[in-house]
Amino acid sequence: DIQMTQSPSSLSASVGDRVTITCRASQALGMTLNWYHQKPGKAPNLLIYDVSSLVRGVPSRFSGSGAGTEFTLTINSLQPEDIGRYSCQQYHSLPLTFGGGTKVEIK
Amino acid sequence: EVQLVESGGGSVQPGGSLRLSCAASGFTVSSNYMSWVRQAPGKGLELVSIIYTGGDTHYADSVKDRFIISRDDSKNTLYLQMNSLRVEDTAQYYCAGLVDVVKRGALDIWGQGTLVTVSP
Repeated sequence: DIQMTQSPSSLSASVGDRVTITCRASQALGMTLNWYHQKPGKAPNLLIYDVSSLVRGVPSRFSGSGAGTEFTLTINSLQPEDIGRYSCQQYHSLPLTFGGGTKVEIK
Repeated sequence: EVQLVESGGGSVQPGGSLRLSCAASGFTVSSNYMSWVRQAPGKGLELVSIIYTGGDTHYADSVKDRFIISRDDSKNTLYLQMNSLRVEDTAQYYCAGLVDVVKRGALDIWGQGTLVTVSP
């Protein structure tokens, strides 16, 4: 199975800050990497697919980048509604695997 | 409206069984893949099982030979039969699938989740 490792596991930032979350894969993924956002007590929602494509309705302050085994989710100007857990997911090969998640809080 | 509604969770003793259901509306469960994803308290997401359009299935090693994923196309509903439950199966279980084929490999629709608690 492809192992997905996210860092940091949690972070606390101020409103307006730029936040960066990293996801590393145990093998090269090409473009087969997605990101999800899970608000507290809610189900995950797809945020970004294929490394950098934003789901319709997702604010432009979110962006994804990366290639090979290292990928990044960036939130420019963190907003209160951005709190929650962010998880990466690969679909290069079965089983689909997720990173352990990054919990984002407002300082 | 495109949505998934799960049911069937609850508390059970180790060795017991539960069947989770996931009723879909606004799209057809057989049109793309559908899956069950679980999340233990404070932990990350784990794919439990997935079923493809043609009926092929895949299971996490931790549930192989104990869980069975299936779907009833006439009811547009996905199921997860969970047998020989263990304490470590305790988690929130989400039904999730793909509606927009452009987002291949993603899970772009999720249910609200149903809690399964396994304890003596």
